[in-house]
Amino acid sequence: AQRVTQPEKLLSVFKGAPVELKCNYSYSGSPELFWYVQYSRQRLQLLLRHISRESIKGFTADLNKGETSFHLKKPFAQEEDSAMYYCALTSLAGGTSYGKLTFGQGTILTVHP
Amino acid sequence: DTGVSQNPRHKITKRGQNVTFRCDPISEHNRLYWYRQTLGQGPEFLTYFQNEAQLEKPRLLSDRFSAERPKGSFSTLEIQRTEQGDSAMYLCASSRDRDEQFFGPGTRLTVL
Repeated sequence: AQRVTQPEKLLSVFKGAPVELKCNYSYSGSPELFWYVQYSRQRLQLLLRHISRESIKGFTADLNKGETSFHLKKPFAQEEDSAMYYCALTSLAGGTSYGKLTFGQGTILTVHP
Repeated sequence: DTGVSQNPRHKITKRGQNVTFRCDPISEHNRLYWYRQTLGQGPEFLTYFQNEAQLEKPRLLSDRFSAERPKGSFSTLEIQRTEQGDSAMYLCASSRDRDEQFFGPGTRLTVL
């Protein structure tokens, strides 16, 4: 069974402070990990995926297979980062198993001015 | 192309009624996914299609749920004999193979 855990429902930081959103996963095979973001009154959208190894809007996330974690980090938070963030995983293997996303419960990030 | 669209955006129904939702994916996206999201939870996978073939049927839900994607274009999700526990946001997403999934705005179902 695959499972994604985001231990923090709410996270508040001040503008300019570092931010880390935690994500731990459980999966028997090789996972592909994602972070999705939902800004107020907007639809869910992809923020980043670990295989692309990109930095989007200053956010980065490193897959740690030993700790089964995929924490999202940003060194200097901005007010426009306030949103709901979801960690998700799917099978890295090809075929029909790919694409079924398992989401965590989400973390609401609030960046205060 | 303005992205994935879903209709209706809101649906209020009485317990026991049938409801049907529609999803129009981004053109040329061969994969289409359905998720359900209840309050305070992340989206939960329901089913998905590759072209017109349904690759996995809802395992977590009862036989009251069914989905179709005729001709590999739009998809419909039907819930028969709705129950109050079916109240949720129903999300649709589409992708081209292993590329990024693009989500629709969702259909919010309220069962009275």
